[in-house]
Amino acid sequence: DAMVIQNPRYQVTQFGKPVTLSCSQTLNHNVMYWYQQKSSQAPKLLFHYYDKDFNNEADTPDNFQSRRPNTSFCFLDIRSPGLGDAAMYLCATSREPWTVILGGDTEAFFGQGTRLTVV
Amino acid sequence: QKEVEQDPGPLSVPEGAIVSLNCTYSNSAFQYFMWYRQYSRKGPELLMYTYSSGNKEDGRFTAQVDKSSKYISLFIRDSQPSDSATYLCAMRSGAGSYQLTFGKGTKLSVIP
Repeated sequence: DAMVIQNPRYQVTQFGKPVTLSCSQTLNHNVMYWYQQKSSQAPKLLFHYYDKDFNNEADTPDNFQSRRPNTSFCFLDIRSPGLGDAAMYLCATSREPWTVILGGDTEAFFGQGTRLTVV
Repeated sequence: QKEVEQDPGPLSVPEGAIVSLNCTYSNSAFQYFMWYRQYSRKGPELLMYTYSSGNKEDGRFTAQVDKSSKYISLFIRDSQPSDSATYLCAMRSGAGSYQLTFGKGTKLSVIP
């Protein structure tokens, strides 16, 4: 069963038209992340939430916003998508990041991604 | 110099071959090392997780970490066509760290 679910899988939006991507998780993890991955590039962290505490990466454009209304859901809002924002957007979750537990279950679980096309 | 360097490939091998995938890094603060597998148009899937220097084996996969050389490897034995994917190395520093630093990924094709 999928544990991190992203909707939609594919999204086409018009240049400048606001768009929202959705992520939900059944893991009850405290931390949720949004990554942007462009073709043949490494995923790039945009921001993350620890519970309700929002943490923006310094180089994330203002055009990108996020909301986390509850533990299970997190949204990525792109206020005015440009052609350069076309990418795969990945949502991920993890448990408490500062526990020193030597196990893979503390690491990030990713959703299947939403591929955004801007026309 | 990028924090994490990974040869993007593509790497093409015949079925049954042993595959070696590698990453080098420059940040000595990195302590936790992961390998993710990403099939085309899908999200990354955690494959292997290591902490200390040395080898960790899981089925056909072996992850190797050499902290003194800042070098990590993933070996795939008896490679299968279903192993065809992009393999991303990722690493982070210790407790309190949110940030995963990824390599660009190596695209692997296993030819039947």
